[in-house]
Amino acid sequence: QVQLVQSGSELKKPGASVKVSCKASGYTFSSHAMNWVRQAPGQGLEWMGWISTKTGNPTYAQGLTGRFVFSLDNTINTAYLQISSLKAEDTAVYYCARESGWAGDYWGQGTLVTVSS
Amino acid sequence: QSALTQPRSVSGSPGQSVTISCTGTSSDVGGYNYVSWYQHHPGKAPKLMISDVSKRPSGVPDRFSGSRSGNTASLTISGLQAEDEADYYCCSYAGSYTYVFGTGTEVTVL
Repeated sequence: QVQLVQSGSELKKPGASVKVSCKASGYTFSSHAMNWVRQAPGQGLEWMGWISTKTGNPTYAQGLTGRFVFSLDNTINTAYLQISSLKAEDTAVYYCARESGWAGDYWGQGTLVTVSS
Repeated sequence: QSALTQPRSVSGSPGQSVTISCTGTSSDVGGYNYVSWYQHHPGKAPKLMISDVSKRPSGVPDRFSGSRSGNTASLTISGLQAEDEADYYCCSYAGSYTYVFGTGTEVTVL
């Protein structure tokens, strides 16, 4: 069965970096793009962008700064979200979601990233 | 890209129907047949309920239905059940391989 398993919660200080992983199983990894979505405390879902698992080419949402980088390791069917120079406002639950057609049909369980001094 | 507009909350009694609206523009909701809806229980992963405006994925009860008129999409839950109490988000393709979510609607079963 299709599964997306994300890495565990992270507590980071402002200015640090974090790398969230999303390991896929149960399907051919390169057949579906991967989206990233976040939810800040008390806020709604926000689409961050996606990465082609065929080419590795990322597309970022307008306004998402260069501090956010999507990457892949196709040898282990894993997508990554790296955030550098962390700020308090980056505190959120980050989700990966498999693209199917024009929707996210399977989602990871979410990774809470807390940025606090 | 501005978030799509949804009502903050809707409520209904068990067995009733509720409809959630999702208003965008001709550059997103009204311009493409790629509106999806997600059910989100706090602390859990969002679940796809409707794709491509009105397609129901396998396993989603048929009391969930989607539609669109102009720049406004809608999700209707018929025969409301206690387990339907959750947050619901619409999402639309917005061109240039980008997407935008709605502001989210809290559904309460009275």
